[in-house]
Amino acid sequence: EPEVTQTPSHQVTQMGQEVILRCVPISNHLYFYWYRQILGQKVEFLVSFYNNEISEKSEIFDDQFSVERPDGSNFTLKIRSTKLEDSAMYFCASSGGGGYQPQHFGDGTRLSIL
Amino acid sequence: DQQVKQNSPSLSVQEGRISILNCDYTNSMFDYFLWYKKYPAEGPTFLISISSIKDKNEDGRFTVFLNKSAKHLSLHIVPSQPGDSAVYFCAASDSNAGKSTFGDGTTLTVKP
Repeated sequence: EPEVTQTPSHQVTQMGQEVILRCVPISNHLYFYWYRQILGQKVEFLVSFYNNEISEKSEIFDDQFSVERPDGSNFTLKIRSTKLEDSAMYFCASSGGGGYQPQHFGDGTRLSIL
Repeated sequence: DQQVKQNSPSLSVQEGRISILNCDYTNSMFDYFLWYKKYPAEGPTFLISISSIKDKNEDGRFTVFLNKSAKHLSLHIVPSQPGDSAVYFCAASDSNAGKSTFGDGTTLTVKP
């Protein structure tokens, strides 16, 4: 069964550094998402992406965050200047449709900011 | 503003019995509801969904019930198996947005 893959599985970065989290969504999916889960808290929506542009973003997704689909297969989340509070599990998801399709999640990248 | 709530952080049941996980929502715009299962160190895995035009959807041992007037949904697992032990997330979306709003999760433990 096709799956969403995320790399790296664990990223350790110094505060203030830039980090790029990578995702390869399921190949025929059109909608892409990033979520995060701070330890012990709920899964929170960050951003959705469709047709090469952001379709929706949460208040968490401020100017420090950006997303890109650089080559038609990868989907990346960049954090320009990381803060301690950015430490979390980051999940990428994709779906074949918009509202009435389930999202398929990767196993996440654990981001640790020191 | 917590739009999707799972009020029980944990649930423990005996193998073979029914597990009932509950979820409440506040946003009337939600019209698609999903349950995801999550094991440690893995991403959420889709289990079952229901649209707002239905009140029940069944898939094998899993049944989701939706009560729109009460803004409540539940997931029934019958019979429960030890392999069902995981964190279960309720999620809701509206068909326009696509993004899912998640509840806090309920940790289900099925004892042999």
